[in-house]
Amino acid sequence: GAGVSQSPSNKVTEKGKDVELRCDPISGHTALYWYRQRLGQGLEFLIYFQGNSAPDKSGLPSDRFSAERTGESVSTLTIQRTQQEDSAVYLCASSTTGTTLSNQPQHFGDGTRLSIL
Amino acid sequence: SQQGEEDPQALSIQEGENATMNCSYKTSINNLQWYRQNSGRGLVHLILIRSNEREKHSGRLRVTLDTSKKSSSLLITASRAADTASYFCATRFGSARQLTFGSGTQLTVLP
Repeated sequence: GAGVSQSPSNKVTEKGKDVELRCDPISGHTALYWYRQRLGQGLEFLIYFQGNSAPDKSGLPSDRFSAERTGESVSTLTIQRTQQEDSAVYLCASSTTGTTLSNQPQHFGDGTRLSIL
Repeated sequence: SQQGEEDPQALSIQEGENATMNCSYKTSINNLQWYRQNSGRGLVHLILIRSNEREKHSGRLRVTLDTSKKSSSLLITASRAADTASYFCATRFGSARQLTFGSGTQLTVLP
C-alpha cells in the first residue's frame, strides 16, 4: 500500500509479557517516528529514526522500551515486561527529509491499540 | 511544558456552521501544523503554516498564526458531518526533530 502500515492493529496481552509492534513506513521516507497516545489525550513522542539511526531516544519512558529500524524501512517497537500503564495506542509516522525536515508533514499509520490486562 | 494547547477541548456545531479551534504554545517555533484524527485512525496532516506566514488557506480550511501572541487558529467553514474528528496542532521547537502535539479539540458536526 501507499501509506504507513502498522501491525497488529490490536494487541491484548497479560501484564509482564513482552510485545513487539511493527511499522512499515512509506517507501523512501527516511524519517520515522513513534508516538504513544493515551485515551482522549494528545500524542507523546517516544523515538525518532533518521535512516537506521535513532539520534533521539529521549522520549522512551523507561528501559523496558526499545526500538530498532532496519534497511531504512521497517521499524519495531518492543516493550518488555509490560505494565498496565503501557496500555495506549502506539502510532508510527514517517516523512521525507527534503531540504528542511521541520517543514515536512508526517504521515501516520492507524496505530496499534495495546491493552495490558 | 512546551506543549501546544487547543481550545476548546470539545466543540459541537450544526452542519453548515463554521468551526473555530485555537492553539497556544509557549516558545518560538519553526512552523505549526494542524492534523485531524478520525476515531480509531491515525492522524492526517491538514495544513502547515510557517513562522513568517500570518494566514494560509486550503479549501474550506483557514489557518492563522500570531507569533506575537504565540497562538494559531483553525477555521473550518461550512462544516459537514464528515468533519467530525479530533483536531490537533503540532509544533517543532528549536532543533527538535519530533512534533509536540496539543491535547486536541474534539469537533462534532451534527447533521
